[in-house]
Amino acid sequence: DAMVIQNPRYQVTQFGKPVTLSCSQTLNHNVMYWYQQKSSQAPKLLFHYYDKDFNNEADTPDNFQSRRPNTSFCFLDIRSPGLGDAAMYLCATSRDLRLAVYNEQFFGPGTRLTVL
Amino acid sequence: QKEVEQNSGPLSVPEGAIASLNCTYSDRVSQSFFWYRQYSGKSPELIMSIYSNGDKEDGRFTAQLNKASQYVSLLIRDSQPSDSATYLCAVHTGGFKTIFGAGTRLFVKA
Repeated sequence: DAMVIQNPRYQVTQFGKPVTLSCSQTLNHNVMYWYQQKSSQAPKLLFHYYDKDFNNEADTPDNFQSRRPNTSFCFLDIRSPGLGDAAMYLCATSRDLRLAVYNEQFFGPGTRLTVL
Repeated sequence: QKEVEQNSGPLSVPEGAIASLNCTYSDRVSQSFFWYRQYSGKSPELIMSIYSNGDKEDGRFTAQLNKASQYVSLLIRDSQPSDSATYLCAVHTGGFKTIFGAGTRLFVKA
């Protein structure tokens, strides 16, 4: 089945210790997104890739970086995690942005990050 | 600031009843509207998309869109305890941005 996969599902890190979260997709979608979601809040877009074009949200802290080495994979790097970065990190994909029907986003299972 | 507003709930309905979830949005030029279901500790799951004014039905779910009033709703007929979740409204506002609401928590009592 075509899907979006995230690893690991749970990540525990120490304050200030870099961490990398990964996302892969078999949907062959052009667009990949990273969201941060804290309890009882809306998913907050951090950045997205449209093919190889990287688009950073204006309020995404510099502490967060991303890489997309190919169509299938995307990584979220948190360079120096703080306690406030503890959250669920969601990867999503969509086929395209130019046609309304292709804006549908499909989410992976998420990675729950704990910062000690 | 483009916004998507939802009542946080919780909305409690008895099993078998109709659950009605509402969402308003601020950006008049929005074209695509989505409802996601999110179980506690899980990721959002797309359950409905709607692009035109009116109703769209899929099984027990009906999405309703009124662009003039900037209002989108989700009706769940014959609600089941397994429908208990948080329902996120999402609006594609153009370009690269989809704005999510914070969600409405629904409880279906057996």
